Amino acid sequence: SQTIHQWPATLVQPVGSPLSLECTVEGTSNPNLYWYRQAAGRGLQLLFYSVGIGQISSEVPQNLSASRPQDRQFILSSKKLLLSDSGFYLCAWSPAGRSGYTFGSGTRLTVV
Amino acid sequence: DQQVKQNSPSLSVQEGRISILNCDYTNSMFDYFLWYKKYPAEGPTFLISISSIKDKNEDGRFTVFLNKSAKHLSLHIVPSQPGDSAVYFCAASAASGTYKYIFGTGTRLKVLA
Repeated sequence: SQTIHQWPATLVQPVGSPLSLECTVEGTSNPNLYWYRQAAGRGLQLLFYSVGIGQISSEVPQNLSASRPQDRQFILSSKKLLLSDSGFYLCAWSPAGRSGYTFGSGTRLTVV
Repeated sequence: DQQVKQNSPSLSVQEGRISILNCDYTNSMFDYFLWYKKYPAEGPTFLISISSIKDKNEDGRFTVFLNKSAKHLSLHIVPSQPGDSAVYFCAASAASGTYKYIFGTGTRLKVLA
């Protein structure tokens, strides 16, 4: 069966520090991968998606970047965090083709 | 521009009664819709889906209705249970190579015992 792992669960980082959140999927190959953010009191905003290794599409201009160095690994990064980067970050995967997502358990990021 | 809207941020319902959560969309290219349930500090979990070729899909206590002409869908939960208390998100996608989903802002459902 397929599983998705996302870590860390919580993170407190100072403004200006770097960020690296990792997501891995097991039990499938060539998944579509997604990063979403839920800011306080807001819905789920799509940040990045990837349909293959090295293929990243950005949905909104921001202080973050994403990379997919391996088929089942998706990384969200920032060189210098801003206060506005605080939120709940969710990784998700779906099979290629029309299907719903399976989400990871999320990372609560607080920038102080 | 919010393409998927959930205009009710919260809803309270008595246990055993029907809960109706609404969702509106603006993009006529959307043809596949999902509902997710989310507990605090957890990832959303999939509930039910509907394709635009249908106007209703049922799964146990959950039924989703789609009105394409009104660009409106709703999730009915009958009977509502206290464990249904969560935030519910609707999501929509258009047929494309990535099938990325646009999510609404969510409705917080509270089922009162």
